[in-house]
Amino acid sequence: AQSVTQLGSHVSVSEGALVLLRCNYSSSVPPYLFWYVQYPNQGLQLLLKYTSAATLVKGINGFEAEFKKSETSFHLTKPSAHMSDAAEYFCAVTMNSGGSNYKLTFGKGTLLTVNP
Amino acid sequence: GAVVSQHPSRVICKSGTSVKIECRSLDFQATTMFWYRQFPKQSLMLMATSNEGSKATYEQGVEKDKFLINHASLTLSTLTVTSAHPEDSSFYICSARLRDRATYEQYFGPGTRLTVT
Repeated sequence: AQSVTQLGSHVSVSEGALVLLRCNYSSSVPPYLFWYVQYPNQGLQLLLKYTSAATLVKGINGFEAEFKKSETSFHLTKPSAHMSDAAEYFCAVTMNSGGSNYKLTFGKGTLLTVNP
Repeated sequence: GAVVSQHPSRVICKSGTSVKIECRSLDFQATTMFWYRQFPKQSLMLMATSNEGSKATYEQGVEKDKFLINHASLTLSTLTVTSAHPEDSSFYICSARLRDRATYEQYFGPGTRLTVT
């Protein structure tokens, strides 16, 4: 079984401030973890992924996330927020086993607002 | 690479009619395609998993007779919402997984907004 908890349904930051979006996971086997971004009325775009290699993962648009097994966390950060970062962000987990068809389980999402 | 398209992007239909949504992998072959449903300001919920040439596997609580899924080729899956009702109004998103690789990565389509009046 697998699940994802995103703490904070809405995060508001000022332009130029640090962005921190929290994600904790639960998985019975070693997980693969993902962060996706969704702009209004659009599909999902992959920001970054953890697949059991380096624990600090760098993604697109200046985002990065760190896998911490002891804390079962995979928080997303960006040093300096841009107005264009305003969107919905989803954390997702899948088991690293093909038997599950690699089904993704998504968190409830965090809406990021960036204030000028 | 790895582009997934959906058609239509937006559809309005009358209650009781059926609507078909297409999901295509444009530049790769997809072993597996997934269909998700997203209500306003909510997360994605997996409806079903479809493997080419076999019957779709539906998640618990999803009516397979209402949401018909056909994965006829390695590049096309369709979702038909039969006898649609206003409560079926939602944003439907598909994703596809690459063939020939033991890969976990899914590529998402842009979504289809269904409104049932």
